[in-house]
Amino acid sequence: GESVGLHLPTLSVQEGDNSIINCAYSNSASDYFIWYKQESGKGPQFIIDIRSNMDKRQGQRVTVLLNKTVKHLSLQIAATQPGDSAVYFCAETGGSNYKLTFGKGTLLTVNP
Amino acid sequence: SAVISQKPSRDICQRGTSLTIQCQVDSQVTMMFWYRQQPGQSLTLIATANQGSEATYESGFVIDKFPISRPNLTFSTLTVSNMSPEDSSIYLCSVEQATSVYEQFFGPGTRLTVL
Repeated sequence: GESVGLHLPTLSVQEGDNSIINCAYSNSASDYFIWYKQESGKGPQFIIDIRSNMDKRQGQRVTVLLNKTVKHLSLQIAATQPGDSAVYFCAETGGSNYKLTFGKGTLLTVNP
Repeated sequence: SAVISQKPSRDICQRGTSLTIQCQVDSQVTMMFWYRQQPGQSLTLIATANQGSEATYESGFVIDKFPISRPNLTFSTLTVSNMSPEDSSIYLCSVEQATSVYEQFFGPGTRLTVL
């Protein structure tokens, strides 16, 4: 069936480095994508989103890239900080469907 | 953004019993969602709860096991019935954000352990 998945389950970076978290999706009808951050013991927190008619969107220290040709989504975090340590999920929902389909998650660890 | 609280934050229960989880929002919302997050796993949607109608369940989830109430626009409950150890998970409620039907805000979750 259709699914949203991640290439890397864990990522360890040094403080100050840039981080890139990847996500592959298989539903070609997906038209809206979201990145969530989940810290230990908390619910997912919205980071940034992107629609399928865009290939790049920037926020504060974060950038999401969308490559519809290969159905790939990435989250770039600039100057990674210890507070960025968390599990990051990509999610998608398409059309008039309000349901979110979540990817598997990547654990980001930032070393001081 | 909406502020969402859940009760209890965690519980340890015996198999065969039931637990009701409450989700309270500080503003009126149309759509509320219940998710399950098994240990070390991603989130899976259980059901969508709209006020004034029966909840809509996803494949693999049934009302007898996970009855849901939605008495008003700020509150919902999820009951995990006749629990087994396989029900040990984090249960999360979420609500849609008023300015975007796709943006969902999540509660802190309820960590359930079934012995």
